[in-house]
Amino acid sequence: GAGVSQSPSNKVTEKGKDVELRCDPISGHTALYWYRQSLGQGLEFLIYFQGNSAPDKSGLPSDRFSAERTGGSVSTLTIQRTQQEDSAVYLCASSLVGGANTEAFFGQGTRLTVV
Amino acid sequence: GENVEQHPSTLSVQEGDSAVIKCTYSDSASNYFPWYKQELGKRPQLIIDIRSNVGEKKDQRIAVTLNKTAKHFSLHITETQPEDSAVYFCAASPYGQNFVFGPGTRLSVLP
Repeated sequence: GAGVSQSPSNKVTEKGKDVELRCDPISGHTALYWYRQSLGQGLEFLIYFQGNSAPDKSGLPSDRFSAERTGGSVSTLTIQRTQQEDSAVYLCASSLVGGANTEAFFGQGTRLTVV
Repeated sequence: GENVEQHPSTLSVQEGDSAVIKCTYSDSASNYFPWYKQELGKRPQLIIDIRSNVGEKKDQRIAVTLNKTAKHFSLHITETQPEDSAVYFCAASPYGQNFVFGPGTRLSVLP
C-alpha cells in the first residue's frame, strides 16, 4: 500500500486477555517504530526495529509487552494479560534510514480499550 | 539515550500572531530534527524538518531554527490561522535511526 497500515483500527478486549496489533510499513522502509499515546498525551516510545532486529527495546513498559518483525516488513506488537492501564492508541511508524529522506510516516493507529 | 524536552505545553495566540515552540535534546549524535502536527483524532504528520548541517529552514509560514552548540531547536509559525490549532511534537533522531519525541505543545489559535 501507499502508507503505513495498522490493524485492527479498534480493539476492545477483556482484562487479562492477550492482544496482537499489526503494522504493515511502507514497502522498502528499513526502520519501524511503535509508540503508545494515551488520551491527550504525548508519543511514548515502545520499541524500534532496524530490519528484523530491535536495537532499542527500552520503552517496553513490562514483560507483558513484546514485539517482533519478520521479513523486514510486517511487525506485531503483543500485549499479554492486558490491564486497564494498557488502554491507549498504539501508533506504528516507518522510515528509511541513512538516505536523504528520513521522514517517519505514521499509521492511523490501533485504539485499544481494555474493559 | 536521547531525551527531548518541549515548551510550552500549551500555547494560545490570537489569529494573525506568531507562535514559537522550543525544544532541547541531549544526545549530540542526533542530527535530524522533525516537527509533527497532530490534529484531533488523526495521526501525526510531518510539517517541517531540519538537519544538523543547516541553521534555519523556512516553508511559507513555518520556520525551524537549530542551535547545535546549545542543543536546542525551535518552531516558528507566523500569521497563525485557526487551522494551525493542533498538537505539535518535536523529535530528535541520529541519522533517522529511532525518533525520540518531545511531550507535545497544544496550540490554540483564537479567532
